[in-house]
Amino acid sequence: EAQVTQNPRYLITVTGKKLTVTCSQNMNHEYMSWYRQDPGLGLRQIYYSMNVEVTDKGDVPEGYKVSRKEKRNFPLILESPSPNQTSLYFCASGRGDRGREKLFFGSGTQLSVL
Amino acid sequence: LAKTTQPISMDSYEGQEVNITCSHNNIATNDYITWYQQFPSQGPRFIIQGYKTKVTNEVASLFIPADRKSSTLSLPRVSLSDTAVYYCLVGGDPDSNYQLIWGAGTKLIIKP
Repeated sequence: EAQVTQNPRYLITVTGKKLTVTCSQNMNHEYMSWYRQDPGLGLRQIYYSMNVEVTDKGDVPEGYKVSRKEKRNFPLILESPSPNQTSLYFCASGRGDRGREKLFFGSGTQLSVL
Repeated sequence: LAKTTQPISMDSYEGQEVNITCSHNNIATNDYITWYQQFPSQGPRFIIQGYKTKVTNEVASLFIPADRKSSTLSLPRVSLSDTAVYYCLVGGDPDSNYQLIWGAGTKLIIKP
């Protein structure tokens, strides 16, 4: 089954404790991206990747890191999480048609930073 | 840069046709328009995509006027299971670095 898999689904952590949210897709998609979703603010892009070893900042990259060492995986790293990074995070992938992507989203990771 | 504006919420009844309009006055020449549906605790799901005129698939229609400054998602004969948030997405123009601009979402509530 074609899917984007994120882990964990729920995560509670404390300020400053490094964490990684994993994302994997099995559709051989070139394009992958991370979003955060906050009430009243909709979806905001954090980082995106057009292909392996190619990553770019989205609208809200501060406090986040990503890496794309292989096509299927695109982990999101919070080196020193802060409470304002409490949010619902989504990973998405697409074929890479430059704006004509039909994006496939993961089920989300609800992160709480205390 | 394109900015997308859509109604915050809408109500309708089962069996009715629902139209949700998204305004994107500054849409770029090569931007595409895409609509997604999101249920609580799930990621958005692709509904339909278009560039101009009308596109129809098995679940919805998308109407785009000639000036492309707005688009309308049409859901025929809605049911309770269509209650969700609907997002308009505009983007993909290479002159805008293929940037994707999301609307804030329209919460659609279908009543029995």
